[in-house]
Amino acid sequence: DAGVIQSPRHEVTEMGQEVTLRCKPISGHNSLFWYRQTMMRGLELLIYFNNNVPIDDSGMPEDRFSAKMPNASFSTLKIQPSEPRDSAVYFCASSSGTVVEQFFGPGTRLTVL
Amino acid sequence: GENVEQHPSTLSVQEGDSAVIKCTYSDSASNYFPWYKQELGKRPQLIIDIRSNVGEKKDQRIAVTLNKTAKHFSLHITETQPEDSAVYFCAAPKGDDKIIFGKGTRLHILP
Repeated sequence: DAGVIQSPRHEVTEMGQEVTLRCKPISGHNSLFWYRQTMMRGLELLIYFNNNVPIDDSGMPEDRFSAKMPNASFSTLKIQPSEPRDSAVYFCASSSGTVVEQFFGPGTRLTVL
Repeated sequence: GENVEQHPSTLSVQEGDSAVIKCTYSDSASNYFPWYKQELGKRPQLIIDIRSNVGEKKDQRIAVTLNKTAKHFSLHITETQPEDSAVYFCAAPKGDDKIIFGKGTRLHILP
């Protein structure tokens, strides 16, 4: 298995632009998580899905952030409009349950100018 | 809800010495405690985990201990090596369906 796949690996954009991050979980995993990592705030859980259904989005910072999982093999995290304070590394992770090992993707480093 | 506190935030040890990282949690119902290692520029990866039915678990130079009464658990790395330099995260469940990570400990192994 290729592991969790994320794209793009790096994204540089200007303030106000829309940003879409993509994730393909490990085949057979039914839970998918989106995290944001910064030096100041550490690893924050933004939202997670179980069987393609959003279960908890309490970590999503603002309405500018949205996430979807249209099928078991694909998820997106969208920021519209983006702001400089959104600059961070965004990780997607998947697992075969919820309170078990999570497998992280390589991350997307987002820079908003 | 669950709150996970991790200490220290930075730790420097001489190569060959031991390193200990500690975490406390607040939810007494928590029953799964993983530790992740994140090397510079890489993704977090699970290195060891423990469930609440045991007090200690070892895997070569790494061990984790759990004290459910005091609600704390620790990561022990013995005979540290340069490749142990990384950020280490503890985590604990929040409810039945997600885990919360500590803020991380940056471990430096000094030559």
